[in-house]
Amino acid sequence: DTAVSQTPKYLVTQMGNDKSIKCEQNLGHDTMYWYKQDSKKFLKIMFSYNNKELIINETVPNRFSPKSPDKAHLNLHINSLELGDSAVYFCASGGALPTYEQYFGPGTRLTVT
Amino acid sequence: GQQVMQIPQYQHVQEGEDFTTYCNSSTTLSNIQWYKQRPGGHPVFLIQLVKSGEVKKQKRLTFQFGEAKKNSSLHITATQTTDVGTYFCVRNAGNMLTFGGGTRLMVKP
Repeated sequence: DTAVSQTPKYLVTQMGNDKSIKCEQNLGHDTMYWYKQDSKKFLKIMFSYNNKELIINETVPNRFSPKSPDKAHLNLHINSLELGDSAVYFCASGGALPTYEQYFGPGTRLTVT
Repeated sequence: GQQVMQIPQYQHVQEGEDFTTYCNSSTTLSNIQWYKQRPGGHPVFLIQLVKSGEVKKQKRLTFQFGEAKKNSSLHITATQTTDVGTYFCVRNAGNMLTFGGGTRLMVKP
């Protein structure tokens, strides 16, 4: 069984559109995350939710809005997409003691044209 | 924000050669984690180091945490093509992970 799943795997869209990426984890973790990985492979945290509550919100444009309907799901909605939003977006879950090890989803490659 | 710096950015090795990546922080770390990301894949947790001077081994991989807890290294002995990927050191502050820039390892068969 897949521990952390994301859909879609690939997303190609035009500037100005609105899109969503879905994430689900079946590990029973309380905390979920969204990361952005740019073309140079830099991985940066965007958001963190603990039991449906936002606990980390890094400097991210407010066009990005995470939504957590329950602790197993954390979706990412992006409004008015821009060229610079092109990246791979990873969902992750975990953060439990003692290591706070995180489990990453397979990623969603977003291309904005 | 507090960062962890990794060197080198890229490393090409011949299969069978050793490989080392280094991670440095300007501040003392409570612990350091290492993740591996295969090409086209997602980051996968390898290990966490907590104690000053700690050394841990996983088969051909040796992880070290500096005495001052400001640096760490990952050494791979006798690389294989399956070692290809990007290795990240990660600063772990509770629920917040800060990734280093990564070292991309390429192995020529």
